[in-house]
Amino acid sequence: DVKVTQSSRYLVKRTGEKVFLECVQDMDHENMFWYRQDPGLGLRLIYFSYDVKMKEKGDIPEGYSVSREKKERFSLILESASTNQTSMYLCASSTVFSGGRGFFGPGTRLTVL
Amino acid sequence: QKEVEQNSGPLSVPEGAIASLNCTYSDRGSQSFFWYRQYSGKSPELIMSIYSNGDKEDGRFTAQLNKASQYVSLLIRDSQPSDSATYLCAVNRNTGNQFYFGTGTSLTVIP
Repeated sequence: DVKVTQSSRYLVKRTGEKVFLECVQDMDHENMFWYRQDPGLGLRLIYFSYDVKMKEKGDIPEGYSVSREKKERFSLILESASTNQTSMYLCASSTVFSGGRGFFGPGTRLTVL
Repeated sequence: QKEVEQNSGPLSVPEGAIASLNCTYSDRGSQSFFWYRQYSGKSPELIMSIYSNGDKEDGRFTAQLNKASQYVSLLIRDSQPSDSATYLCAVNRNTGNQFYFGTGTSLTVIP
């Protein structure tokens, strides 16, 4: 089975802190994604990557950056956390050989105080 | 116009009934379509994928795709209380490998 893991299930940070969220997948997937999920807004794509060191902006990249130095790892960085970044963050991966099916990690619930 | 639209619900059906969940999408070039189930407090889990017009059945689940009408649906037969969850429709254009998600439909199956 595909396994996507995220570094933390729950995280509490203070405004202005730099925050790192890490995601690791074990199925050699080319594509990795970061979403945030908020009530009434659904899943919104922050960034995605289709190869090592490659990244593309999603719908809401402002205030975020990403890093993909190795194929299995995709990191989301909040340069200076703000209260409006309090959310559930979900990482996903997929391979072009599976018809685009995506697999999600368990999520990180981030609270910024 | 949103890429993917779903009725937010909530949708309530009695146990044993058929639950029907609907989704429309805006990009005619979309190629792949998915239904995810998300239990409260959990991450989305893929339950169905469909790529060509028509019906695709998997157990109690049937996905239906009509590309001319830009419409995807999910039928759940013999609904069970364990089916109570939010169902997310997702569309992949195959360009840029992006998935576009609807906001989800909340389903409650009443025992």
